[in-house]
Amino acid sequence: AQRVTQPEKLLSVFKGAPVELKCNYSYSGSPELFWYVQYSRQRLQLLLRHISRESIKGFTADLNKGETSFHLKKPFAQEEDSAMYYCALKGQNFVFGPGTRLSVLP
Amino acid sequence: DTGVSQDPRHKITKRGQNVTFRCDPISEHNRLYWYRQTLGQGPEFLTYFQNEAQLEKSRLLSDRFSAERPKGSFSTLEIQRTEQGDSAMYLCASTNFGHEQFFGPGTRLTVL
Repeated sequence: AQRVTQPEKLLSVFKGAPVELKCNYSYSGSPELFWYVQYSRQRLQLLLRHISRESIKGFTADLNKGETSFHLKKPFAQEEDSAMYYCALKGQNFVFGPGTRLSVLP
Repeated sequence: DTGVSQDPRHKITKRGQNVTFRCDPISEHNRLYWYRQTLGQGPEFLTYFQNEAQLEKSRLLSDRFSAERPKGSFSTLEIQRTEQGDSAMYLCASTNFGHEQFFGPGTRLTVL
């Protein structure tokens, strides 16, 4: 079975502080992991995927197969990072986690 | 606008009525997905098409739900005999061979 968990429904940090959004998954095969973001009044869009190993908007995520995690990190949060963040797993199908709302306070 | 479009954006219906939603994917994309999203949850997979073939349906999808993609371009999702529990945002996404999904704006269904 495929499953994605995001333990925090809401995460609030101050501008300039580091941020880490947690994601854990379960899947018996070789997964592809993604982070999607939804800004206010916008559609869901891809932020990054583990295969590309890029840094997008200062965010990075490393796939840790031993811990079955794919946490999203940014060293210095900005107010424009405030959004809903969804971790997603592509196994047989796409499975999304419940999402974490990130609020970056001024 | 060459993105994914969905119609209508909002639908209010009475319990027991049938509703149909349309999704127009990005033109060169061969895969099309339907998701349902309720408050406080992430998108939940419903079904997907590769070209005109419906390859997978969620076990959670009741037989009141049916989807088509007759010419491998646009797709429709029909819900028959709607129930209040069907109230949700219905999202469509398209992709080429299952990598980055491009989402539409969604259709918000309210069943009274």
